[in-house]
Amino acid sequence: ETGVTQSPTHLIKTRGQQVTLRCSSQSGHNTVSWYQQALGQGPQFIFQYYREEENGRGNFPPRFSGLQFPNYSSELNVNALELDDSALYLCASSPDRSTDTQYFGPGTRLTVL
Amino acid sequence: QQQVKQSPQSLIVQKGGISIINCAYENTAFDYFPWYQQFPGKGPALLIAIRPDVSEKKEGRFTISFNKSAKQFSLHIMDSQPGDSATYFCAASKLTGTASKLTFGTGTRLQVTL
Repeated sequence: ETGVTQSPTHLIKTRGQQVTLRCSSQSGHNTVSWYQQALGQGPQFIFQYYREEENGRGNFPPRFSGLQFPNYSSELNVNALELDDSALYLCASSPDRSTDTQYFGPGTRLTVL
Repeated sequence: QQQVKQSPQSLIVQKGGISIINCAYENTAFDYFPWYQQFPGKGPALLIAIRPDVSEKKEGRFTISFNKSAKQFSLHIMDSQPGDSATYFCAASKLTGTASKLTFGTGTRLQVTL
């Protein structure tokens, strides 16, 4: 069974640019959640996707958007990058939206200069 | 608004000792309380989780104690080992039927010394 994978591992962007992060969910999981983890903090919920539809959103501005594909992989897009967007972005998958348990990937470290 | 408060920020325990990390929550609608372990450069890994209908859950050296009336829960690591050195996060969620989002504490950096 393949776990949650994310790409790229690291990314450096400049302020104002746009970025796309990718996540492949664990086999058999149809629900993907994205979290932002600032240095020294706990992860903060960005949004969740279930069967290609947004299924809940945290307190993040609209420039954070996402997609989920028919194979349940997912993308996180961030437009107009700000310095404070520098963080570890984590993807977590669940067997179903009605399941509490979430399994995290290794994350993508985004640095905004 | 921090809905899950975690303490201490850091903890140093000798090998073989007991590590105890505490969390308190505010939202009484929370019904799932997991603990995650995170090593540097890695994503959080689920360690153990509990629901409010039980007061304690044990898996190997890891035990969650849950006090519903006090809105507190804690992680006990028995016989702590150097390999347990990591950052531990408590979390809470409520299954709304549409989305189960985890609300995390701020983390506890545990160091187990020889």
